[in-house]
This record gives sequence, structure tokens and C-alpha cells, in this order.
Amino acid sequence: GENVEQHPSTLSVQEGDSAVIKCTYSDSASNYFPWYKQELGKRPQLIIDIRSNVGEKKDQRIAVTLNKTAKHFSLHITETQPEDSAVYFCAARAHLKKLTFGTGTRLTIIP
Amino acid sequence: DADVTQTPRNRITKTGKRIMLECSQTKGHDRMYWYRQDPGLGLRLIYYSFDVKDINKGEISDGYSVSRQAQAKFSLSLESAIPNQTALYFCATNSGDTQYFGPGTRLTVL
Repeated sequence: GENVEQHPSTLSVQEGDSAVIKCTYSDSASNYFPWYKQELGKRPQLIIDIRSNVGEKKDQRIAVTLNKTAKHFSLHITETQPEDSAVYFCAARAHLKKLTFGTGTRLTIIP
Repeated sequence: DADVTQTPRNRITKTGKRIMLECSQTKGHDRMYWYRQDPGLGLRLIYYSFDVKDINKGEISDGYSVSRQAQAKFSLSLESAIPNQTALYFCATNSGDTQYFGPGTRLTVL
């Protein structure tokens, strides 16, 4: 089955700087890669996703890149703000299959 | 969110007790999931159901069972709770690719 590895497990960034979280996946059939944000005490919520026919996607300060050859994808957050502090999960899924999640990255924005 | 609700939100129980966690959704989604969240381990899939007659084991199904009573309801049972089942449990549903999570149930087994 699919295996998703996520790094780093914790990340501290000065407010205003950029943050990058990286994930690798094992199943070459995976074609959908979402990122979820989980604030303290809350449920995970989708913040951005990318499909395998696209190399990069942006939504304001958030971007995701995908390298299918290397089987890795990354989340980039620019101009970080205190409200970006949360746990971020990557995930991967092949068509009609279930999502497999990474182990999460706890991002802390230092004011 | 897709109006996914979970009951109870918090539960403390004792070793050996049978516990049921319930999940309901009002969006008519076919696919429903139960996950367990532990610190440092991410979200691990316990069971999933792609429709009322379809139940599948996830990666950590031992010690758990499920029931899909209707399209809108998916229950998770711990037949005989043990302390290492102490965790945060999330139900989720799918609309297309997007997965929506319920608010979670924090379960403590003493």
C-alpha cells in the first residue's frame, strides 16, 4: 500500500519568513495530493490540493509543488503570520482509493 | 465543513468496557471514514465505507468494529476498551476529492 513520509516533524519560523514542509510517497499510481491544516483543538481542514497533471498550484501565500518523477511534493507558506501556527498534514491517494496521511508537521511562527 | 457531527465529544471509560462512537453527516456523501490521531503518528485509518453495503478495514482495525446504519450514519465500536486505545478519533466524509472531518471524539480508557 501507499506510504507517505513527512518532514520535518516540527518547524519554527520567524514571522514574515517562509516555511517549507516536504512529503514523499511510494505508490506511483497516486494522483491526488491534499494538504490539511489542524489548529489546536480543531479538526483538520483542507487548505490546498494538487493533482498529478499539475506541477505547481498557488493560493495567496500558500503554494504546493509536485515532482512525480521523484515522488515528492512540498507545501510552501510565504510571509508567515501567527495564525499559520498549526499542525500540517500531507496526504496522497490513487484513484478510487483511500487517503494515506503523513505524520504531520507542527509549525510554530515566532513573533 | 460538510456538517459532520460526532457524539460524544469526550468520553472517559474503563478497561474492558464496550464503547460506541457515532458519526452523522447531512450532505448525502457516500464515503465515510474513521481515523485515529495520536501525537507524532498522524491520522491512521481504522475503517472506511464507500456505501451502505461496503465496509473495509483500514491499517489499524484490530480491536475495533463499525456499522453503517444508513448513508448518513457510521458508528465505531470498541468491543473491550484497553488503555492504548486512548486517542482522538475523527470521522470523515468525502465529497469528490475533498475529505471533510468531524469535530473529533477524545476517548480516554483508564
